[in-house]
Amino acid sequence: DADVTQTPRNRITKTGKRIMLECSQTKGHDRMYWYRQDPGLGLRLIYYSFDVKDINKGEISDGYSVSRQAQAKFSLSLESAIPNQTALYFCATSNSYQPQHFGDGTRLSIL
Amino acid sequence: AQSVSQHNHHVILSEAASLELGCNYSYGGTVNLFWYVQYPGQHLQLLLKYFSGDPLVKGIKGFEAEFIKSKFSFNLRKPSVQWSDTAEYFCAVNALSNTGKLIFGQGTTLQVKP
Repeated sequence: DADVTQTPRNRITKTGKRIMLECSQTKGHDRMYWYRQDPGLGLRLIYYSFDVKDINKGEISDGYSVSRQAQAKFSLSLESAIPNQTALYFCATSNSYQPQHFGDGTRLSIL
Repeated sequence: AQSVSQHNHHVILSEAASLELGCNYSYGGTVNLFWYVQYPGQHLQLLLKYFSGDPLVKGIKGFEAEFIKSKFSFNLRKPSVQWSDTAEYFCAVNALSNTGKLIFGQGTTLQVKP
């Protein structure tokens, strides 16, 4: 089983819909992160959480929200999806400044 | 603002050629440095990391990287690439005063021709 699991792996939806991407981990890490990957732009941080009660905005948080339901679960929501949110989304986990471990990604297409 | 720059966006090499991918960052304090690789259709995997000590670090699959503090650089090298090295490579920096967030470069796509 994967240490960092993202669901769904692929999603196609329409503009204006609410979307939730989920991430769960079995690594016991305190820190969890959401990134989006766009061609030529690398990975950009959307939100991050250092523990259940700590949520922080990343560099591109507008249009997104998150929930840290438990140490092992961190979900990302798009309240009203728009086409320029079409991207590959990655969840990652880490302890302190140690290397981050990434999930397999969610490919999201918004029509 | 802190940033990471990868100079080569797309590199094409023949098998057995040597590889060097550039990475520069803009931050004057203490940093942790990483190279990640993303094979087609897969998630990012850690190639190597630098935290402290010997500035020449060795990673998996024959990759190495050299931290040159005076140049704010962390270039990735491999003496002889293989077709299986075809992937996208990301440099990332973790500024220790920046609450542990990773800043990624734009990525370099490496295509190795058999």
